[in-house]
Amino acid sequence: SQTIHQWPATLVQPVGSPLSLECTVEGTSNPNLYWYRQAAGRGLQLLFYSVGIGQISSEVPQNLSASRPQDRQFILSSKKLLLSDSGFYLCAWSLAGGITEAFFGQGTRLTVV
Amino acid sequence: GQQVMQIPQYQHVQEGEDFTTYCNSSTTLSNIQWYKQRPGGHPVFLIQLVKSGEVKKQKRLTFQFGEAKKNSSLHITATQTTDVGTYFCAARIQGAQKLVFGQGTRLTINP
Repeated sequence: SQTIHQWPATLVQPVGSPLSLECTVEGTSNPNLYWYRQAAGRGLQLLFYSVGIGQISSEVPQNLSASRPQDRQFILSSKKLLLSDSGFYLCAWSLAGGITEAFFGQGTRLTVV
Repeated sequence: GQQVMQIPQYQHVQEGEDFTTYCNSSTTLSNIQWYKQRPGGHPVFLIQLVKSGEVKKQKRLTFQFGEAKKNSSLHITATQTTDVGTYFCAARIQGAQKLVFGQGTRLTINP
C-alpha cells in the first residue's frame, strides 16, 4: 500500500533562517506531488506541484522554492524565512495522469518567530 | 487566483440540524472532489463526482454535481458532533495535474 511521510511535525524557526521540509512517498511510482500551505483557520493554498523529477510548477510568487530530486521525494525550501511564512504545510500525492484523489501527509506546523 | 469558490466560510449549527456547503467555478470542471479536515488534522478524501448532474450519498452525506459542471454541494442531514471539521471542495485543472481547493467551510456544532 502507498504511504506518505512528511517531517517534521512541528518547527519553530527564527526570521531569516533557512527552511527545508521533506516529503516522501512509498508504494507508488511517478506520482504527482503537491505542497500546500494553510494559514490558521484558512483554506489550502497550492504552492507547488510536480509531475516528474525536476519538474516544478510554482503557483504563488514567494521566497519559497521546491525541488524533486528523486521520483518520490519532494522538498520545500527557503533561504530566509519571513514571519508571513508561518502556517501549516501539507504535502500530498496523487496518481499521475488520471482523475484520482490526493493523499495528504500529516503536515508540518511552522512558526516563524 | 482562486478558481474554485466555496461558501459559507463558517457555519455553526445545533446538533441534529442540517448543513450545506457550496462550491462554484466560473469554468466547467472535469470533476469535483470533496475532502474533510478534522481540527488539527490533514484533509481526507471523501468522494469524487465526474458526471453532469451526478448525486452520490454516503450515509448522511449527499454530494451533488451541477448539470453545467460548474457547481457542487455537500449536504449533511442531522449533523452529529463527529461531523465537526472543515469541508473542502477541490477541482483538477490544467490537464488534471493541478489540484486546486476551495477556501473550505468550517463546521462547528453545538451539542
